Amino acid sequence: EDKVVQSPLSLVVHEGDTVTLNCSYEVTNFRSLLWYKQEKKAPTFLFMLTSSGIEKKSGRLSSILDKKELFSILNITATQTGDSAVYLCAVETNRDDKIIFGKGTRLHILP
Amino acid sequence: NAGVTQTPKFRILKIGQSMTLQCTQDMNHNYMYWYRQDPGMGLKLIYYSVGAGITDKGEVPNGYNVSRSTTEDFPLRLELAAPSQTSVYFCASSRGTGRYEQYFGPGTRLTVT
Repeated sequence: EDKVVQSPLSLVVHEGDTVTLNCSYEVTNFRSLLWYKQEKKAPTFLFMLTSSGIEKKSGRLSSILDKKELFSILNITATQTGDSAVYLCAVETNRDDKIIFGKGTRLHILP
Repeated sequence: NAGVTQTPKFRILKIGQSMTLQCTQDMNHNYMYWYRQDPGMGLKLIYYSVGAGITDKGEVPNGYNVSRSTTEDFPLRLELAAPSQTSVYFCASSRGTGRYEQYFGPGTRLTVT
């Protein structure tokens, strides 16, 4: 059965800290891995990763994929209170065009 | 450009009632998806569509039906509402898969009592 597992499930840090969120997956026919940020409403897209070892970066956020070890990490440096959200990892498969989401990591940044 | 719109935003149903959640996108996307998100959980795929006239089951399709008569619209139908269907429902669309991100609607919060 295809699955996506995120860790930790929740994380509380102080403003300015650096955090690393993990996403591991077991799927057949991997196509891509996606990261989303969800605040109060709908998820918003962060990154799409298809190739191993190539870091994607957007401001203080960065992400990398390891297709051999079947995981991805999302790094946030110099965290701010506005980074508080649930971060969702999802994996797209070639089989039936399905997307499987993890349960998310709830990140809370203390001022 | 409205993106993905969903109606209603909130709804309370009694057990056994039926309703349709509406989803419309104006980006001419072929792919559309319905997800549900339970408290503290990730998104679970209910149904998806790769184009007008084509739909397929996702992870949790039981108790739901969909149709895709046009590219723009992808309504989700609940025939006999049950308390287990209390959730937040998100519709999303994308141009395709593999290289394209999904765009999400604002969600519909449904309570079945």
